[in-house]
Amino acid sequence: AQSVTQLGSHVSVSEGALVLLRCNYSSSVPPYLFWYVQYPNQGLQLLLKYTTGATLVKGINGFEAEFKKSETSFHLTKPSAHMSDAAEYFCAVSESSNAGNMLTFGGGTRLMVKP
Amino acid sequence: GAVVSQHPSRVICKSGTSVKIECRSLDFQATTMFWYRQFPKQSLMLMATSNEGSKATYEQGVEKDKFLINHASLTLSTLTVTSAHPEDSSFYICSAREAGGNTIYFGEGSWLTVV
Repeated sequence: AQSVTQLGSHVSVSEGALVLLRCNYSSSVPPYLFWYVQYPNQGLQLLLKYTTGATLVKGINGFEAEFKKSETSFHLTKPSAHMSDAAEYFCAVSESSNAGNMLTFGGGTRLMVKP
Repeated sequence: GAVVSQHPSRVICKSGTSVKIECRSLDFQATTMFWYRQFPKQSLMLMATSNEGSKATYEQGVEKDKFLINHASLTLSTLTVTSAHPEDSSFYICSAREAGGNTIYFGEGSWLTVV
């Protein structure tokens, strides 16, 4: 079984400040990990994903996330927040097996950016 | 918390037949629902955005005549895969946004296998 926990349903930062959105997962097998963003009135967009290889993954719009197996974490960061980053962010895990590739999502974190 | 239920969770159908997947919001009214599909070991792909009482908005490259989406009530959206082919085998997941709210809730997903 797999699960995802996103700490903080709402995160507020000032424009230009560091963005840190936390994600912890549990998985019985090596996971595939994803971060998605949903802007108002739009569907999900993939920000970045980790499958294998380098544990620091860079995504679109200046976001990056680091897979830390020892901490079972995949936190999302951005050095400097922009107003356009205000959205809802979802962390997801998929078990890399052939039995099925269902995604399990975290509860989501709403990022608010103050001017 | 709010629950979005998909049915069936797994379905096998013969090539050339049609199959319907339901997405229900169990304890809230969903004005907008999103349909995604996920190919094995890949990320989610938004297929369409469905607003209650109006035609769905399909993403580029998604055949609207093949993937029929109906959102006839505030608690139910259906995705019908018509004349299914083996390449339609995939994981389909829906999400729903509560009327007047910003939180998105995901269904458990439906695994379609076309033989």
